[in-house]
Amino acid sequence: AQSVTQPDIHITVSEGASLELRCNYSYGATPYLFWYVQSPGQGLQLLLKYFSGDTLVQGIKGFEAEFKRSQSSFNLRKPSVHWSDAAEYFCAGRREYGNKLVFGAGTILRVKS
Amino acid sequence: DVKVTQSSRYLVKRTGEKVFLECVQDMDHENMFWYRQDPGLGLRLIYFSYDVKMKEKGDIPEGYSVSREKKERFSLILESASTNQTSMYLCASSLTIYRGGSGTEAFFGQGTRLTVV
Repeated sequence: AQSVTQPDIHITVSEGASLELRCNYSYGATPYLFWYVQSPGQGLQLLLKYFSGDTLVQGIKGFEAEFKRSQSSFNLRKPSVHWSDAAEYFCAGRREYGNKLVFGAGTILRVKS
Repeated sequence: DVKVTQSSRYLVKRTGEKVFLECVQDMDHENMFWYRQDPGLGLRLIYFSYDVKMKEKGDIPEGYSVSREKKERFSLILESASTNQTSMYLCASSLTIYRGGSGTEAFFGQGTRLTVV
């Protein structure tokens, strides 16, 4: 079955530290991958997306993600975390010729000062 | 500004009631989705629709049905609400891949928090 897995349920980082959130996918062909963020009480906002081309993708709010086919991963990174980044982050994926969008279980990010 | 609108932010219903959750998008998108969001489980797909009157089951369709009579509107129906359907429900829409939508993202509504008592 096609799926997206986020192995970390919670992550805590200090403000100013770097961040990496993990995402693994299990699509056979080229997947289309997305990262969304959900702040408390808010809807989901797209951070970035990958569907072809350069495997390092830049997004909003200083986030980036790298697609690694050999590791079936699409990890989200940020070099220096701000307190306002505290939120829940979701990885999502779709197979190349499909419309169905599937999400991971989410990673809750806590930022400590 | 693109918009996906869910008719209610909060709903409280009684066990056994028939419940309708409505979603409208103004982006002329072919695809529409209903997800359920629960802590630790992420977003689980209930149903999605890729065209008017077309639907496909997601991962957790039991206890739910959907209706898509017009392109802009996608309704989720709880035929007989139960307490285990208490959850946050999110609607989303996206372009179809057949209209160049392969790389496009889904846009989400604000969610409906449903409590079944």
